[in-house]
Amino acid sequence: DTAVSQTPKYLVTQMGNDKSIKCEQNLGHDTMYWYKQDSKKFLKIMFSYNNKELIINETVPNRFSPKSPDKAHLNLHINSLELGDSAVYFCASTYGGDSPLHFGNGTRLTVT
Amino acid sequence: SQQGEEDPQALSIQEGENATMNCSYKTSINNLQWYRQNSGRGLVHLILIRSNEREKHSGRLRVTLDTSKKSSSLLITASRAADTASYFCATDKGTGYSTLTFGKGTMLLVSP
Repeated sequence: DTAVSQTPKYLVTQMGNDKSIKCEQNLGHDTMYWYKQDSKKFLKIMFSYNNKELIINETVPNRFSPKSPDKAHLNLHINSLELGDSAVYFCASTYGGDSPLHFGNGTRLTVT
Repeated sequence: SQQGEEDPQALSIQEGENATMNCSYKTSINNLQWYRQNSGRGLVHLILIRSNEREKHSGRLRVTLDTSKKSSSLLITASRAADTASYFCATDKGTGYSTLTFGKGTMLLVSP
């Protein structure tokens, strides 16, 4: 019954590899996000999709590519992983407007 | 760019005491929201205050907003050990799709 679910919860990989993180929400929200939380807990928006369309693309390296096959799913693919990509990645969703964000429990990515 | 700045960075209190956290921001906002993050979990929405509101209550939470000073405070009364978490303020400029900008958070420790 989890509202926003991400997989995997932990991801340990080596530099140069390609990896994907998946996110699904069953709340019927139209807007989904990817946020990155660094080691100092600073949370920064990366991407936002509204009904499968990209609406926000912050200054994120091209190695990061989001994909939204439908409005309930937003996946994040990362190519050529670097040490600096190590962080916790959060998926979130909302109805929009003043509606609050609902977050998944995060994916802790460690690049060695 | 980072919008909210929470103060203090860390707060340690005893159960039953009140906890006050402050947030300052830089630009005009449509609303300001407070979120809680328990260790290893995603953020959970606590309360939203709109730019035309000055104070809002929800259970043991009291939020104030001073748009002239570009600041907000979150008061948790009669704190409990279960309130131990990081608390983040997030601002929404109201420029269309909900785009929250988060601060670095205040880590609250409530000791029994």
